[in-house]
Amino acid sequence: SQQGEEDPQALSIQEGENATMNCSYKTSINNLQWYRQNSGRGLVHLILIRSNEREKHSGRLRVTLDTSKKSSSLLITASRAADTASYFCATRRRSGNTPLVFGKGTRLSVIA
Amino acid sequence: EAGVTQFPSHSVIEKGQTVTLRCDPISGHDNLYWYRRVMGKEIKFLLHFVKESKQDESGMPNNRFLAERTGGTYSTLKVQPAELEDSGVYFCASSQDWGSSGELFFGEGSRLTVL
Repeated sequence: SQQGEEDPQALSIQEGENATMNCSYKTSINNLQWYRQNSGRGLVHLILIRSNEREKHSGRLRVTLDTSKKSSSLLITASRAADTASYFCATRRRSGNTPLVFGKGTRLSVIA
Repeated sequence: EAGVTQFPSHSVIEKGQTVTLRCDPISGHDNLYWYRRVMGKEIKFLLHFVKESKQDESGMPNNRFLAERTGGTYSTLKVQPAELEDSGVYFCASSQDWGSSGELFFGEGSRLTVL
């Protein structure tokens, strides 16, 4: 079954540095989304990129999508301690009435 | 506007007991989803309602799980009888438009611990 796989599983950086997380998937998609989950809270939608888009920005977030490699990356620039959370990519298949499929997530720790 | 709310936030039960989780989606959202995350693993899809109808229940693990959404408003997920492997965090999400947008709004989850 289609599944997003984030890489790395865990990432620890200093405040002010950039954080890059990657996601790979297996089948053709309609769109790919990134979500954040703070400890003990629900998932919050960050950004959506469609299959015909290659790059998208939102504030300090930059997402790229390479459909030929079936991969995406999430870049958080000038990280802050408040960015500490788990980040998940989720994909929606191109055709059919299918749900969002999530991966295991990347645990990001930003040290002040 | 109220977000997706889930109850209870945490439930501890013994193996063989029954637990019912409730989800209130955002008002007006026809689409309601249940997901589950077992510690350290992926967030796994369980099922999808469109209004009161089950659109997709392919992720339901077995017949010990029963989801309902009577009247197309709130939903319940009952586990009966609970087993140890059912422990995890159960997330509910809703969306207005299943289609091209596809953004989901999540509740904070119900943590289930089966002893």
